[in-house]
Amino acid sequence: AQSVTQLGSHVSVSEGALVLLRCNYSSSVPPYLFWYVQYPNQGLQLLLKYTSAATLVKGINGFEAEFKKSETSFHLTKPSAHMSDAAEYFCAVNTGGFKTIFGAGTRLFVKA
Amino acid sequence: KAGVTQTPRYLIKTRGQQVTLSCSPISGHRSVSWYQQTPGQGLQFLFEYFSETQRNKGNFPGRFSGRQFSNSRSEMNVSTLELGDSALYLCASSLGLAGGPYEQYFGPGTRLTVT
Repeated sequence: AQSVTQLGSHVSVSEGALVLLRCNYSSSVPPYLFWYVQYPNQGLQLLLKYTSAATLVKGINGFEAEFKKSETSFHLTKPSAHMSDAAEYFCAVNTGGFKTIFGAGTRLFVKA
Repeated sequence: KAGVTQTPRYLIKTRGQQVTLSCSPISGHRSVSWYQQTPGQGLQFLFEYFSETQRNKGNFPGRFSGRQFSNSRSEMNVSTLELGDSALYLCASSLGLAGGPYEQYFGPGTRLTVT
C-alpha cells in the first residue's frame, strides 16, 4: 500500500539558513509527488510537483525538491530561510488509486 | 480565475444537529475532494467526486456524506454531529481524477465547532 512519511513534525531553522524538509514515500507504481504549504487559517497551496519529467523540480518561493527513486525520497529544500516561510508543509503522493495520500505535515519555525 | 470557495467559513453547531458545507471548484475542474483536518489526526480524506459520481471514500462513518451537482459544485453533510467532528473541513478541486498527475487547489476551509 502507498504511504508517505515526513520525518520531523517540527523543524526549526534560523533566518538565512538552509531549509530541509524530508519526505519518503512507498509506492508500487511510479508516483506523482507534491509538496503543499499551509499558512495559518488557510487552505493548502501547491509549492511544486513531480510528474516523471526532470528529477529536480523547482517551485514557488525559492523551494525545490529532488526525486530520488533509489531512496524513495522527495525532500524539499530552500537555500536561505525567510521569516515568511514559517508554515506547515505537506508532502503528498498520487499513485493512480483515486486518492491522494498526504503526509502528517512538518511545521517549519524560522528564528530571527 | 477565481479560486475554490467554501461556505460558510465558520460554523458553530450543537451535538446531535446536522450541517451542510458547500464548495465551489475552480471553473473547468470536475474533481472535488473533501478532507477533514484536525491537530491530532492531520489531513484525513473524506471522499472525492468526479462528474457527479463518488469515486472514492475514506474511512469515515456513514454520517458523513456528500454529493456533486452538474456544475461541479459540491456539498458535504454531517448528520448527528459529535464533539469529535470539530475540525477544519477542506475542499479541493482538480482538473482530473485524484491519484493522477494533477495537483489539487484548496479552498480556505470551513471551521466547524461542535459544542
